[in-house]
Amino acid sequence: DTEVTQTPKHLVMGMTNKKSLKCEQHMGHRAMYWYKQKAKKPPELMFVYSYEKLSINESVPSRFSPECPNSSLLNLHLHALQPEDSALYLCASSQGQGNPPGGEAFFGQGTRLTVV
Amino acid sequence: GESVGLHLPTLSVQEGDNSIINCAYSNSASDYFIWYKQESGKGPQFIIDIRSNMDKRQGQRVTVLLNKTVKHLSLQIAATQPGDSAVYFCAEARYGNNRLAFGKGNQVVVIP
Repeated sequence: DTEVTQTPKHLVMGMTNKKSLKCEQHMGHRAMYWYKQKAKKPPELMFVYSYEKLSINESVPSRFSPECPNSSLLNLHLHALQPEDSALYLCASSQGQGNPPGGEAFFGQGTRLTVV
Repeated sequence: GESVGLHLPTLSVQEGDNSIINCAYSNSASDYFIWYKQESGKGPQFIIDIRSNMDKRQGQRVTVLLNKTVKHLSLQIAATQPGDSAVYFCAEARYGNNRLAFGKGNQVVVIP
């Protein structure tokens, strides 16, 4: 199984809503990532979890709150988002150890988020 | 916000021809470089990687070249097929952290 599964595939939420994005992998990877991607732009790193601990937060606003309940799951909790937060949110995982850095990263299909 | 009329650099290539996609990277301390392919509606997919102590690596129908002197990376696709139509991103990373940074994408359009 070399899949990273993200749910939901599409999400429309209001600016006062609270929602969560979910990501799951069963490859035994110990690093998991959240990226944000706007149309025609490269993915931008948001958070990295390494061995279930938050290792990188790229100065992401607090309205985005990541959570790693266990080594297979990664959540992104959303609250009070703005329309400019509309984007494709990608989850990825990699071996997270050794050489090369992170190893090959596998990406999910993404959640297409629209904030209205 | 996004610029109106923003376009990706686009390479149009005839089916069967070879494609070359270029990438300039900024961090001379990067140890590891990767090419990803992203098809419409999908997440990025790993194609090939290369370590900074190498200058060439070959895979199936793909070759990556690394020129550290000018901080330039290229991806060559042999005998381009319609299924190769996608956006291609280069990415770089350093040993010791998991911060994978993506460069700007290049759109490849294969003409049957």
